[in-house]
Amino acid sequence: AQRVTQPEKLLSVFKGAPVELKCNYSYSGSPELFWYVQYSRQRLQLLLRHISRESIKGFTADLNKGETSFHLKKPFAQEEDSAMYYCALSGRAGGTSYGKLTFGQGTILTVHP
Amino acid sequence: GAVVSQHPSRVICKSGTSVKIECRSLDFQATTMFWYRQFPKKSLMLMATSNEGSKATYEQGVEKDKFLINHASLTLSTLTVTSAHPEDSSFYICSASKGAQETQYFGPGTRLLVL
Repeated sequence: AQRVTQPEKLLSVFKGAPVELKCNYSYSGSPELFWYVQYSRQRLQLLLRHISRESIKGFTADLNKGETSFHLKKPFAQEEDSAMYYCALSGRAGGTSYGKLTFGQGTILTVHP
Repeated sequence: GAVVSQHPSRVICKSGTSVKIECRSLDFQATTMFWYRQFPKKSLMLMATSNEGSKATYEQGVEKDKFLINHASLTLSTLTVTSAHPEDSSFYICSASKGAQETQYFGPGTRLLVL
């Protein structure tokens, strides 16, 4: 079975402060990890995926297979970063096929001015 | 590009009736579409995966006779909640991708309220 855990439901920081949203996963095979973001009243959209190793809007995330983590980081948070962030995993184990996403519970990030 | 729409955005129906929700990929051909359900303040839960022209694959615990999924074309998938009950009230979200392993693009969601 695959599982994604985001231990923080709420995270508050001040503008300009570093931010780290935690994500841990459980998966027996080779995972693909994603971060999705949902701004207020908008649809879910892909922020980044680990295989592309991109930095989007200043956010980065490194897959740590030893710690089974995929934490999302940004050195200087901005007010417009306030949103709901979901960590998600895609993989294959047993009868599960690639492409299916398992989402974490989500973390609401609030960046104060 | 890669826009996915859902219709309706919200629907209220009486218990016992059926409700159809449409998911459309507007500017790309979606070989695979996914249907999720989201409870208040909860995460998205995958209900089923549908590939164009074939039967949907349902997740464990999801009743396929209750939630009928049709993916008859590369731009349209429908979810029909049959004989809806109040416990079916939820936020239903679809996503579409160009292939099973490709990036999923999400629709805006449909709020269903069953009275």
